[in-house]
Amino acid sequence: AQKITQTQPGMFVQEKEAVTLDCTYDTSDQSYGLFWYKQPSSGEMIFLIYQGSYDEQNATEGRYSLNFQKARKSANLVISASQLGDSAMYFCAMREGLVTGNQFYFGTGTSLTVIP
Amino acid sequence: GAVVSQHPSWVICKSGTSVKIECRSLDFQATTMFWYRQFPKQSLMLMATSNEGSKATYEQGVEKDKFLINHASLTLSTLTVTSAHPEDSSFYICSAREWSSGRAGDTQYFGPGTRLTVL
Repeated sequence: AQKITQTQPGMFVQEKEAVTLDCTYDTSDQSYGLFWYKQPSSGEMIFLIYQGSYDEQNATEGRYSLNFQKARKSANLVISASQLGDSAMYFCAMREGLVTGNQFYFGTGTSLTVIP
Repeated sequence: GAVVSQHPSWVICKSGTSVKIECRSLDFQATTMFWYRQFPKQSLMLMATSNEGSKATYEQGVEKDKFLINHASLTLSTLTVTSAHPEDSSFYICSAREWSSGRAGDTQYFGPGTRLTVL
C-alpha cells in the first residue's frame, strides 16, 4: 500500500484565493512526522511545514497551514492568499518515528498553478 | 533552514562515461545523506541512504555497482554514475538529514538537484 497518497495531480487557484492540497497517509506507527515540500520549476525541494503525530494543534507557517486530521490520516496543506510564485509542485512526505527515523516517504505530488 | 548544495547543477555527457555528483551540507554536519532520482512529472524515488564512514544502503532495484556512493566526511557525499547510458538521464537530488532541537526533529533538507543528460 502507498504510504503517502496525493490524489490531485493538478490544481488551479485564482490569485489571492486559498487552496487546499490533499494528502493522506498510511502507517501503523503511533509516532510519525508529516512534511510538505514545494518544488518550483528550478527543481529545488523547499521545506514548507511540519506536523508531528502528537501535535494537538495544526501547524502553521505564514501563509501555509496543515489541516491535520489524525483519525482520517489526512494532512492537507492549505495555502492562503495564493501568489503567482506559489505555482509549483507540492509533495507531501512522512517520516515514521517522531523524532528520528530513516527514509521519508513521498507522495506523487500535486502541480499547483496560480492564475492571475 | 539548513543549506545543502549540489554540484554540478547540470551535466551532459557521452554514453559510456562516468559522472560524479557532489552533495554538501554547508552549515551543518550530516551523518546521513540521501540520494533520490526524479523523472519528469514524477515523485522522488529514493536510491540509497549514505552514512558517513560506512557503506551506503541501496534500495531494491538500484544497482550499487552502477551508482557508487561515497560519504567520506560529515559534509560531503558523492554519487558517481558509472558508464552512463541514455536511460540514466534524470534529475538527481540529494538531501541531508539535520537534527534540530525544534519540533521537527530530524528533517531532510534538499540540494538544488543535478540534471543529467546522457547522449
